[in-house]
Amino acid sequence: SQQGEEDPQALSIQEGENATMNCSYKTSINNLQWYRQNSGRGLVHLILIRSNEREKHSGRLRVTLDTSKKSSSLLITASRAADTASYFCAPYGGSQGNLIFGKGTKLSVKP
Amino acid sequence: GAVVSQHPSWVICKSGTSVKIECRSLDFQATTMFWYRQFPKQSLMLMATSNEGSKATYEQGVEKDKFLINHASLTLSTLTVTSAHPEDSSFYICSASPTGSGGYTFGSGTRLTVV
Repeated sequence: SQQGEEDPQALSIQEGENATMNCSYKTSINNLQWYRQNSGRGLVHLILIRSNEREKHSGRLRVTLDTSKKSSSLLITASRAADTASYFCAPYGGSQGNLIFGKGTKLSVKP
Repeated sequence: GAVVSQHPSWVICKSGTSVKIECRSLDFQATTMFWYRQFPKQSLMLMATSNEGSKATYEQGVEKDKFLINHASLTLSTLTVTSAHPEDSSFYICSASPTGSGGYTFGSGTRLTVV
């Protein structure tokens, strides 16, 4: 199992703007997952991108994956105040092991 | 989709008592479940891996006698915090992965406050 490192640690934007968060990891992966956590709540699985995919969309979310650079990005378009949360990436090596989480990116969207 | 139910959502207990937290996979079987702990403003920390029908695997620094894990069936894992102390106050989250999905489903978490 390996840990993803999110960047930036904190991001504050206005409603309607786009938010971009980045994730780096160190070894080969089977897939990479992004999660959201609202304050004091459990994790919500947002999107999974497989190692043979380069880009994936889900509603206002766009995820890219560059396996050569061992990096991924999460773009939230037209952000809303309800998007305020911490976002975590979780690289997954392919065995039925646990996910290890980094410190996440704390996103604050101001109305 | 796969759902993991965690109960209770929050609990307040007195020092010295024990608290049991349940994690259930509602529409899939999970031979393995994971227990995490999260302190305020910190990331999730894996505590232990719960294995159906066998002993749990604990991460370094986690006391197995204090955090008892029982995975008695393919859909239920329980975490019991024994002789709880105020420093055990934290947010506990479980997760499981439906076979072949490549993704993980998390419970909604349990906020434990020990007074």
